[in-house]
Amino acid sequence: AQRVTQPEKLLSVFKGAPVELKCNYSYSGSPELFWYVQYSRQRLQLLLRHISRESIKGFTADLNKGETSFHLKKPFAQEEDSAMYYCALSNNFNKFYFGSGTKLNVKP
Amino acid sequence: DAGVTQSPTHLIKTRGQQVTLRCSPKSGHDTVSWYQQALGQGPQFIFQYYEEEERQRGNFPDRFSGHQFPNYSSELNVNALLLGDSALYLCASSLSSGANVLTFGAGSRLTVL
Repeated sequence: AQRVTQPEKLLSVFKGAPVELKCNYSYSGSPELFWYVQYSRQRLQLLLRHISRESIKGFTADLNKGETSFHLKKPFAQEEDSAMYYCALSNNFNKFYFGSGTKLNVKP
Repeated sequence: DAGVTQSPTHLIKTRGQQVTLRCSPKSGHDTVSWYQQALGQGPQFIFQYYEEEERQRGNFPDRFSGHQFPNYSSELNVNALLLGDSALYLCASSLSSGANVLTFGAGSRLTVL
């Protein structure tokens, strides 16, 4: 069965500290992996996807098929990174499975 | 481009009633998906419409139904409302021939009393 697990509901770090938001998945096949973000009073929006291999707002995520993980990392957190982060996987037909989300709080 | 628009933004219903939520996709998008987001949870896939037909469906009962119109807009209908249907309902649009990326609306918050 398809499942996305985000073990941390809340992650608090100080500004300038490294950040790692964990995501593990189970899927029979080769899924696409994504991170979506929701800033305060804004809509859910795409942050990055594994196939594009981009660094967005300083965030990166590496797909580890052996460990079935797709952790989101940033070396130096900024206060504007405070938001709700959702890991998601998708088949090839725009059907997405989301994790329960991690709230990142970056303290000044 | 207004992006994905949803209406109404908030509504309150009582158990047993029926509700219709509406969604207009982002300009140029032809596929509409609906998600239910309960409090403290991630979005859960309800179903997806493409070419006015339901193409995929998640693990939701038949009380949940939908429709897509020729202009790609979509409706989500829920019959015989239960307290557990209280949630944020998100519409997301995408392009069937494009990148596998969703553009979300702001959602319709349904409260069932």
